[in-house]
Amino acid sequence: AQSVTQLGSHVSVSEGALVLLRCNYSSSVPPYLFWYVQYPNQGLQLLLKYTTGATLVKGINGFEAEFKKSETSFHLTKPSAHMSDAAEYFCAVSGRTGGGNKLTFGTGTQLKVEL
Amino acid sequence: DSGVTQTPKHLITATGQRVTLRCSPRSGDLSVYWYQQSLDQGLQFLIQYYNGEERAKGNILERFSAQQFPDLHSELNLSSLELGDSALYFCASSPREGSSPLHFGNGTRLTVT
Repeated sequence: AQSVTQLGSHVSVSEGALVLLRCNYSSSVPPYLFWYVQYPNQGLQLLLKYTTGATLVKGINGFEAEFKKSETSFHLTKPSAHMSDAAEYFCAVSGRTGGGNKLTFGTGTQLKVEL
Repeated sequence: DSGVTQTPKHLITATGQRVTLRCSPRSGDLSVYWYQQSLDQGLQFLIQYYNGEERAKGNILERFSAQQFPDLHSELNLSSLELGDSALYFCASSPREGSSPLHFGNGTRLTVT
């Protein structure tokens, strides 16, 4: 079974500062990894995904994540935070085998951006 | 706009009642997923359908059931509702299985009183 652990349920940064949201995964097979963002009263929007190939993945809104197999991590970063980045972020994992590609989500990290 | 449509947006009902949540996937997507989001449980996978067939089951209660119709829309039926069923219910869709990401609707907020 796959799982993800998000370290820090709340992260606060200043506008213009680096954003780092941590995610570690557990999987018996090479996983697919995703980051989603949820704005208030909205659904989840895909930020980026890792399936195969390049381990540094670039997503929307200036976010990127690096798949590190040795550390079983998939941390999300953005060089300079903007007020509009304030939202809840979810890391998710799915398997590569058949039987569906359901996502297993982490518990989420609420990002606060301060002036 | 993800292209996934969920109705209704809000639903308020009493304990013991039964409700139906509806989801229309993105055009061309064959797979539909249902998730429940609550403060204490987070995002929990309930069930997945692919082209009308059940493909995977998660933490779905026996009081809950779902189906996917020939036109690919899906319904989630919740019966004998309890206060603890109050949550945000999301539908997501994807073109196929495998690495394709899920696209989520804006959810149905269910309040059981």
